[in-house]
Amino acid sequence: EAQVTQNPRYLITVTGKKLTVTCSQNMNHEYMSWYRQDPGLGLRQIYYSMNVEVTDKGDVPEGYKVSRKEKRNFPLILESPSPNQTSLYFCASSIPGQSYEQYFGPGTRLTVT
Amino acid sequence: QKEVEQDPGPLSVPEGAIVSLNCTYSNSAFQYFMWYRQYSRKGPELLMYTYSSGNKEDGRFTAQVDKSSKYISLFIRDSQPSDSATYLCASSGGYNKLIFGAGTRLAVHP
Repeated sequence: EAQVTQNPRYLITVTGKKLTVTCSQNMNHEYMSWYRQDPGLGLRQIYYSMNVEVTDKGDVPEGYKVSRKEKRNFPLILESPSPNQTSLYFCASSIPGQSYEQYFGPGTRLTVT
Repeated sequence: QKEVEQDPGPLSVPEGAIVSLNCTYSNSAFQYFMWYRQYSRKGPELLMYTYSSGNKEDGRFTAQVDKSSKYISLFIRDSQPSDSATYLCASSGGYNKLIFGAGTRLAVHP
């Protein structure tokens, strides 16, 4: 089954404790992206990757890092999480040139206390 | 001003009603216009997309784009309780970058 998977699905952590949210897709998509979803603000792009070793900032990259060492994986790293990073996070992938159809993972709900 | 504006609702309608969901956008460079549907505790899924102006129909759903007024619409005919979800409009003009609206929560009650 074609899908995007994220782990963990739920995470409660404390300020400053480094964490990684994993994202993996099995559709051989070159393009991958991370979004955060907050009430009233919709989905905002954090980082995206056009291919292996090619990443770039989205609209809200502060406080986040990403890496793309393999085509299928695109982890999101919060090196020193803060309460304002409490949010619902989605990973997505698509075929380049068909960005209108992005395939989203199930989401990771992160709470930073 | 956000590039894509969407009334968050919520919108509550009886089963069988015609639903109209709307967005406005500000960037004239946008060429692709999408509607994603997001069920509770799930990721968004593409419902429909339109390139440039015009209408597109898929079953009970019709997407409409008016570039002259920068207005995006989604109409749902004969709405069903299974249509209860959050509907996100999105626009794109550049390579792989989507700009999303805030989403409108729709509830269709029997």
